[in-house]
Amino acid sequence: GAGVSQSPSNKVTEKGKDVELRCDPISGHTALYWYRQSLGQGLEFLIYFQGNSAPDKSGLPSDRFSAERTGGSVSTLTIQRTQQEDSAVYLCASSLGGLYGQETQYFGPGTRLLVL
Amino acid sequence: QKEVEQNSGPLSVPEGAIASLNCTYSDRGSQSFFWYRQYSGKSPELIMFIYSNGDKEDGRFTAQLNKASQYVSLLIRDSQPSDSATYLCAVTYDFGNEKLTFGTGTRLTIIP
Repeated sequence: GAGVSQSPSNKVTEKGKDVELRCDPISGHTALYWYRQSLGQGLEFLIYFQGNSAPDKSGLPSDRFSAERTGGSVSTLTIQRTQQEDSAVYLCASSLGGLYGQETQYFGPGTRLLVL
Repeated sequence: QKEVEQNSGPLSVPEGAIASLNCTYSDRGSQSFFWYRQYSGKSPELIMFIYSNGDKEDGRFTAQLNKASQYVSLLIRDSQPSDSATYLCAVTYDFGNEKLTFGTGTRLTIIP
């Protein structure tokens, strides 16, 4: 079955470079979320897309982070001028996108980003 | 700042015993509550969610919610070694906005 997929699975980059992380949600899921998980930390919300509504960007840590979702499906998270503190696992999740806060979010395998 | 608090553990429980995992949250307006299990190096997977006061049972798992005390727990009966993982408590705060606020997780080890 087709779950949430993410690419690349691992990314090593040098400080100051830009990176793009990709997420393919489950077909038919209208809601898409990005979280990140630093070593020993819980998951931190970054951004949330729901259908055609304006995304909730309240979790983005700085203006170096941006995300877009094209055609209501694939999403790309871009980190510009990467810093060492950006090193983390970036997780994407999708859900059916109901309005009641009870929808199950299905997580992808994550992208492990290491900034040297 | 809306917070979700969990004891980081590790929590060690003998095989066959009941494991009890606890979580408190700061916002009384919280809507729904989720328990995710995360094996080392893997992504989280949903165990249960609950949004009404009381107990909700699913197989060996029982979630308990007490909104007055701002407390949610997960009980695992007949604990198995395969239950050894980190358990993440998560909360949604806004009706119609499903973003999750996670606790830092409790690491559970089941001792054979």
